[in-house]
Amino acid sequence: QSALTQPASVSGSPGQSITISCTGTSSDVGGYNYVSWYQQHPGKAPKLMIYEVSNRPSGVPDRFSGSKSGNTASLTISGLQAEDEADYYCSSYTSSSTVVFGGGTKLTVL
Amino acid sequence: EVQLVESGGGLVQPGGSLRLSCAASGFTFSSYWMSWVRQAPGKGLEWVANIKQDGSEKYYVDSVKGRFTISRDNAKNSLYLQMNSLRAEDTAVYYCARVGGSGSYFDYWGQGTLVTVSS
Repeated sequence: QSALTQPASVSGSPGQSITISCTGTSSDVGGYNYVSWYQQHPGKAPKLMIYEVSNRPSGVPDRFSGSKSGNTASLTISGLQAEDEADYYCSSYTSSSTVVFGGGTKLTVL
Repeated sequence: EVQLVESGGGLVQPGGSLRLSCAASGFTFSSYWMSWVRQAPGKGLEWVANIKQDGSEKYYVDSVKGRFTISRDNAKNSLYLQMNSLRAEDTAVYYCARVGGSGSYFDYWGQGTLVTVSS
C-alpha cells in the first residue's frame, strides 16, 4: 500500500493552465479507471473534484479536468483563479479492495 | 443536504482506546459504503477503513489492522471507528466520508475530529 506519487508543489499565474501528475502502478492507477482528485483548503475538509478519472461532480467548474495514461493520472486546471490555490490529492482504488492516496500537491497561484 | 458529523476525538495516552462516531443525515445511509480517512498534522490524506452497506465487508490499511475496527448502525444512521492500542503515529484528524457510486471515491466528507495520542 505505497502512496501514489505526486509533485510536492506546482505554481501558475492567473489565467494559465497547470497539470498535476499522479503516478501509481498496474495494481492501482493503471489497473482501474477509479482515480479521483480532491481539493483541500487550509483547515477545511477535502472536496471531491474529479472521480473515475475524468468525471466532474455537479458544481465543479469545467476548468477542472482529469485524464489517465498507463500508470499515471493527471489533473489539469485551466484558467487558474486565485481561489484554486490549495492542496490537491489524487487517490485510486487498488487490487486489494483498498484505497490509496497520493502525497499531495500544493498549488500556488502567483 | 448531506451531512456527516464526527465526534469522539480527544487526547489519549499511548496504548489507550478511543471510539469515534459519525452521524449521517440527508441521504439513505444504509445504501452507501462508508469510510474513515485521516490526516496527520501537516501531512497528507491516508485512507483508514471502508465498510459495506450491511457491514458484511470491511477493509483496512495495513497500519491499523488488528487495532482498529470499523462498524455501523444503519438504524441510527451512524458510523463508528473503535481504535485500540493507539500509537503516537495515529495522531490525526479523522474524517468520516461517504463512498460514491463505484465504491472508489469519497463524495461527501465530515469536518473531522482530532485524535491526539500523547503521554
